[in-house]
Order: sequence, then C-alpha cells, then structure tokens
Amino acid sequence: GNSVTQMEGPVTLSEEAFLTINCTYTATGYPSLFWYVQYPGEGLQLLLKATKADDKGSNKGFEATYRKETTSFHLEKGSVQVSDSAVYFCALSGLDSSASKIIFGSGTRLSIRP
Amino acid sequence: EAGVAQSPRYKIIEKRQSVAFWCNPISGHATLYWYQQILGQGPKLLIQFQNNGVVDDSQLPKDRFSAERLKGVDSTLKIQPAKLEDSAVYLCASISGGSETQYFGPGTRLLVL
Repeated sequence: GNSVTQMEGPVTLSEEAFLTINCTYTATGYPSLFWYVQYPGEGLQLLLKATKADDKGSNKGFEATYRKETTSFHLEKGSVQVSDSAVYFCALSGLDSSASKIIFGSGTRLSIRP
Repeated sequence: EAGVAQSPRYKIIEKRQSVAFWCNPISGHATLYWYQQILGQGPKLLIQFQNNGVVDDSQLPKDRFSAERLKGVDSTLKIQPAKLEDSAVYLCASISGGSETQYFGPGTRLLVL
C-alpha cells in the first residue's frame, strides 16, 4: 500500500547547524509530496511541496527535492535557528479519486539548541 | 482570512462517556477532513466531507464515532462511548476546490481516563 517513512526523532542540533530529515515513500502512482510543520501549541502548516519528479520545493530556507528514482523527499536546511524547533511531517497525496487524501509519516521532532 | 477554528482545545473525560468536537473551516472551502493524531504518530484520516456529503469514511470506527456536516459548513465529530485508546489530538482541515493544500485547525486534545 501507499506509505511514508521518515527519520525517527528526536533530532537535536545546535543553532546554525545543517539539517537533513530523511523521508522515503511507497506509492502505486505519482503522488504529490509535502512537508508539514507543527510548531508547539499550533496546528499543522504546509512548509513546502513538490508535485512531480525533480521538482524542488522551498520555503523559509528549507528545501526538498522530489526524487522518483530513490522515492525520496528529504528535507534540508543549511543553517537552522531556534525558531525551527517543531515536529516535521512528510506526506503524500494525489493517489485517490479525490486527489486530496493525505498520507502522513510519523513525524520527526526537531530541537535546536541556542 | 480566518483560519480553521476548532473547539474545545482540550477535553478530559472518563471512559464510556460521550464527547463532541466542533470545526468551522475556512470560508468557501467545500472539503473538510477530520484526522486523529495519536501521540508519536502522524495524523490519520477519519472522514472526508465534500460539502455535506461523505467522500471517505473508511477509517472511521463507526461503532463509536460519528460525524456530520449538515449545512456544508461547520462539522461535528462525536465519540460515544469513549475508550482509553481514543486519547489523541483530533484535527480538522479544509481545502478549496482544485487545490492540494490542506489548512489545519489547532486541534482538540482529548484525554480519556
């Protein structure tokens, strides 16, 4: 079946460190891929997305590239800040008739030390 | 633009009691979703509405969970009777036509004792 597997957390980094959160997916078709972020006490927010192979999504210094050959969508940021501390969810959609049903990974908690 | 509103934000009940959650989506968003997010897991879709009709409720435990969206705007999710394993955050999301981007509310955190 369709699924998303992401790096287990928690991930703890120092401010200005380089971040990678791994995400791989299994899908029968050609899904759209997303990263959502959940800040403490807030709802899920879309961070970035990519809708086809080799697309790069980017926002707030974060980037992820849709790699069809490795079925991956790893999240990266060159220099993290304390304000990036949150839970990050990799997700996919677009595989059902309504095209909007989302399948989420289990989330990766990121903590940034000052 | 106002976001997705949910209430209450927190609820504590004892097992076998009933509980209801309310969601008001972004104005004009025809599609509404309810998700269950158990601690340490990603959100799991419970039910999807298109206007006031159900599109997908395949993961809704229908023996105890029910949801309605009578006028195609706000929605209510009910659990009756609650079990310990229902302790989770219940998220509501909405989407405008033709878009893949879901907008989430802050969630209702339920604790069943």
